[in-house]
Amino acid sequence: DVKVTQSSRYLVKRTGEKVFLECVQDMDHENMFWYRQDPGLGLRLIYFSYDVKMKEKGDIPEGYSVSREKKERFSLILESASTNQTSMYLCASGLPGPRGPGELFFGEGSRLTVL
Amino acid sequence: QKEVEQNSGPLSVPEGAIASRNCTYSDRGSQSFFWYRQYSGKSPELIMFIYSNGDKEDGRFTAQLNKASQYVSLLIRDSQPSDSATYLCAVNPGTYKYIFGTGTRLKVLA
Repeated sequence: DVKVTQSSRYLVKRTGEKVFLECVQDMDHENMFWYRQDPGLGLRLIYFSYDVKMKEKGDIPEGYSVSREKKERFSLILESASTNQTSMYLCASGLPGPRGPGELFFGEGSRLTVL
Repeated sequence: QKEVEQNSGPLSVPEGAIASRNCTYSDRGSQSFFWYRQYSGKSPELIMFIYSNGDKEDGRFTAQLNKASQYVSLLIRDSQPSDSATYLCAVNPGTYKYIFGTGTRLKVLA
């Protein structure tokens, strides 16, 4: 089975702290994604990566950065956490499908609270 | 304007009934369409994908795609209490990324 592992299930941070969220997948997937999920807003794409050291901004990249030094690992960084970044963060990975992205496999999620 | 719209209002159906959820999208160039199920407190998991106009059946689930009208539907036959979840529609507009709807809740009453 595909496994996508997120490093922390629950985090509580203070405003201004630097936050690292790590995601590791074990299926050699090329594509990896970071989403945040908020009530009433659904899943919103923060960043994605289609290859090692490649990254593309999603719909809401402000306040975030990412790193993909190895194929299996995709990290999300909040340089200076703010209260409006309190959310559930979901990492996903997947292979290309015949007409674009194929199935996405999600991690368990990291619930971040910024005080 | 949101690119993928779902009716977020919860739907309650009795066990054994047919449940239907709809999704509309704005980008006519969209190529791939997905339905994910998300249980409360859990991550989304894929239940159906469809690329071509028409119906695609997988067990109790049927996905329907109408590109001319720009909608995709999910039908669940013989609904079970275990089907109670939020259903997320996702569309690929021809790039690497998905665009998700906000999700639509289903509750199946035993």
